[in-house]
Formats: sequence, C-alpha cells, structure tokens
Amino acid sequence: DAGVIQSPRHEVTEMGQEVTLRCKPISGHDYLFWYRQTMMRGLELLIYFNNNVPIDDSGMPEDRFSAKMPNASFSTLKIQPSEPRDSAVYFCASSLRADQPQHFGDGTRLSIL
Amino acid sequence: AQTVTQSQPEMSVQEAETVTLSCTYDTSESDYYLFWYKQPPSRQMILVIRQEAYKQQNATENRFSVNFQKAAKSFSLKISDSQLGDAAMYFCAYRSAFGGTSYGKLTFGQGTILTVHP
Repeated sequence: DAGVIQSPRHEVTEMGQEVTLRCKPISGHDYLFWYRQTMMRGLELLIYFNNNVPIDDSGMPEDRFSAKMPNASFSTLKIQPSEPRDSAVYFCASSLRADQPQHFGDGTRLSIL
Repeated sequence: AQTVTQSQPEMSVQEAETVTLSCTYDTSESDYYLFWYKQPPSRQMILVIRQEAYKQQNATENRFSVNFQKAAKSFSLKISDSQLGDAAMYFCAYRSAFGGTSYGKLTFGQGTILTVHP
C-alpha cells in the first residue's frame, strides 16, 4: 500500500514568496494532520482535518498560514508571504480513525532565504 | 493541556546491549494512548510501539518493550539487543482518548537522540 505522499521533498525559496506544500493521505483514512518540526519547538501540530473538515487549527502560527482539504485524497498547506522563521520540516500524517495510529509522510524540508 | 517530557537529550548504547529511554507526561485524563516514534536520519517518522492506558500489560514489539507506570505517569522504552539500525531520534507522544477537538491530536516530547556504537 502506498503511504502518505508529500511533495515537494525539499523547497528553497526567497522571503516573501508564496509556498504550497502538498499531501496525499493513505486511501480510506478519515483524518489528516499537518505538523511542523523545528529544533527550537520540536514537533507541533498545526491543523487537522476529519472527513475534509478542519477540526482544530489552533496550532496555525498566524494568518500567513492556511490549509485546505478540497477532497479526501489531497490537502495543501500554504504560506503567504513566507518568512525565514518558517524554515522547518513540515510533515503530513493520516489515520484511519482518531483512535488509530498516525502514519507520516517523509516530510518537506522548507528553507526560506 | 497535556505535556510530554523526555529528559534525556542524548543516549548511547553498545551494539547488542540494552538501553532504556525515559518519558514522562502530565494529564488529568484517565484514558489515553502513548506512542514511541523513531526518526532516523532519513527523517521518516516510524511508529515503534503503542500503549493504551486502560491496559495494564506493557506493550512489546520484538526487541522493543515499554514500562508503563500509569500512577507515576511514566512511559519508558526499552530496546534490547541494540542494532546499528536503531540509531535515530526517538519521540514519545500522547494522545487523548476522549472526544472534542483534541481527539486524535498527538503531543510530542522533545526527542532523544540514540547513538549505537559498534
């Protein structure tokens, strides 16, 4: 079975540019999660969806960040405008149900210059 | 809010030896799940083991086992017969078993870097 697929694997862009990260969850999984990993703050949940509906976005750092899930097989995390402090590894994860383990993608390493 | 603490930033072990990674957590909930995830240099997040708080029996997965002490809010990971491939960052994580917006949300510790010496 294909796991969670994230793209791109690496992204380097200049400050002020729009960045879009993409995620395809495991087929049939009802829950999708976006995490951010930094040295200073570790792994933090940004937002999660249930059946394509955002449930908890309290971890989204500010209005520059937005996430969508237009259908069950695709989600995006967008940063506009990007800033150097947004540099991090962004993970997407999915789970069959809320009480089932989360399966992670390989992450996107984002560098904002 | 729940918190997860891993007090060992780094640990090391000789190949074939046993090592224990510590994790404590703080919660007022009675039912929850605890996890250990492994993150090798390839940066994948790999689920190692899972424990359900209502189960008294400690979970085991081959060479990996946990010591779950609910009253002490402690959840340590024991790796037996350590292998070079076990070298990674290990994260302890908590998830509520109750409904509401926190349901399904993982709270992670800061991680422990494990080095395995040949």
